[in-house]
Amino acid sequence: GENVEQHPSTLSVQEGDSAVIKCTYSDSASNYFPWYKQELGKRPQLIIDIRSNVGEKKDQRIAVTLNKTAKHFSLHITETQPEDSAVYFCAAGGPGQGGKLIFGQGTELSVKP
Amino acid sequence: EADIYQTPRYLVIGTGKKITLECSQTMGHDKMYWYQQDPGMELHLIHYSYGVNSTEKGDLSSESTVSRIRTEHFPLTLESARPSHTSQYLCASSEWGLLSSYEQYFGPGTRLTVT
Repeated sequence: GENVEQHPSTLSVQEGDSAVIKCTYSDSASNYFPWYKQELGKRPQLIIDIRSNVGEKKDQRIAVTLNKTAKHFSLHITETQPEDSAVYFCAAGGPGQGGKLIFGQGTELSVKP
Repeated sequence: EADIYQTPRYLVIGTGKKITLECSQTMGHDKMYWYQQDPGMELHLIHYSYGVNSTEKGDLSSESTVSRIRTEHFPLTLESARPSHTSQYLCASSEWGLLSSYEQYFGPGTRLTVT
C-alpha cells in the first residue's frame, strides 16, 4: 500500500522567511497530492492541492511542486507570517487507493515575529 | 450551508460505557471517513465508507464499529470505552470522480476522554 513520509517534523522560521516542507510517497499510481493546515484546536483544512499531470501550482504565498519521477512533493510558503503557524499535513491518494488519502506525519511550523 | 457536523464536541465518560459519536454531512458526498488523532499528531484512518451499506476498516486497528444506513450519516460506536480510546475523532467526507475536487472535508472533531 501507499506510504507517505513527511519532513521535517518541526520547523521554526522568522517572520518574512520562507518555509519548505517535503513529502515522499511510495505508490506510483497516486495522482492527487493535497496539503492541509490544522491550527490548534481546529479541523484540518485544505490549503492547496496538485494532481499528477501538473508539476507546480501556486496560490499567492503558497506553492506546491511535484516530482513524479522521484515520487516527492513539497510545500513552499514565502513571506511567512505568524498566522501561518500551524501543523501542516501532506497526503497522497488516487483511484488506486479507492479514494482514501494517506497522510504524512505532520510538520509543526512556528513563525516567530 | 453545506457542511459536516460532529456531536458531541467534547465527551468525558467512564470506563465500560457504550458511546456513539455522530457525524452528518449535507454535501451529498458518497465517501465518508473516520480518523483518530492525538492533538497535533498524525491522522490515522480507522473506518471508511464508499456509500450506503458499505463500510471498511482503515489502516489503524480500532475496537470501534461504524454503520452507513443513510448517505448523510456515519456514526461511530464504542461498545465498551477504555482509557486507551482517549483521543480526538475526526469525521470527513469527499466526492471522488473525474470531475470532482478529490478534497476531503473535515468535521470539527469530537474530543473523547475515558476515565
